[in-house]
Amino acid sequence: DGGITQSPKYLFRKEGQNVTLSCEQNLNHDAMYWYRQDPGQGLRLIYYSQIVNDFQKGDIAEGYSVSREKKESFPLTVTSAQKNPTAFYLCATMQRGFEKLFFGSGTQLSVL
Amino acid sequence: GESVGLHLPTLSVQEGDNSIINCAYSNSASDYFIWYKQESGKGPQFIIDIRSNMDKRQGQRVTVLLNKTVKHLSLQIAATQPGDSAVYFCAENIIAGGSYIPTFGRGTSLIVHP
Repeated sequence: DGGITQSPKYLFRKEGQNVTLSCEQNLNHDAMYWYRQDPGQGLRLIYYSQIVNDFQKGDIAEGYSVSREKKESFPLTVTSAQKNPTAFYLCATMQRGFEKLFFGSGTQLSVL
Repeated sequence: GESVGLHLPTLSVQEGDNSIINCAYSNSASDYFIWYKQESGKGPQFIIDIRSNMDKRQGQRVTVLLNKTVKHLSLQIAATQPGDSAVYFCAENIIAGGSYIPTFGRGTSLIVHP
């Protein structure tokens, strides 16, 4: 995980509530990514950001929002519009010119 | 053996055997491929990578083979150990708008029996 901190490790959401997952990195990597992982499935891309103040939708962006105000931080908000939010959420970074991802340890989000 | 269905594909091997995990990728224009290992409750970690101008690349106990004709990757693990038990993902880096978008396969669960 080194250098990428995701918090909290476990998060519970009530119906109609927005929740925010934190991702902080000290690797000085340019790009950051959010993936969703459901049991028995691969990782699906939610949002990604190549530079500060810019981000792009991934394959499953509906019901999620992000911001990239600082290079080190890329928080993900799961909004009430996301009707099936229970999943394991992974944040990752990539340094420009080196195409491999470095992952955080993930946040498990569950619905109460 | 290997099973595919609603659950994650699973490969069960005995300790000391060689393991082969297969992956099909989707984009013939992809030029960079990576294998990641994910242990339970953790984020995936890089194992080995290969560029499209290569057919084979070897690491420590791991080998990746690339067959561009049929868009197929395989990961070979020699002398499999219990610590190799994990889910293994292949990923292709698709370029979109000048950005690398890592796109993951479904994953294979490797179970190593002592």
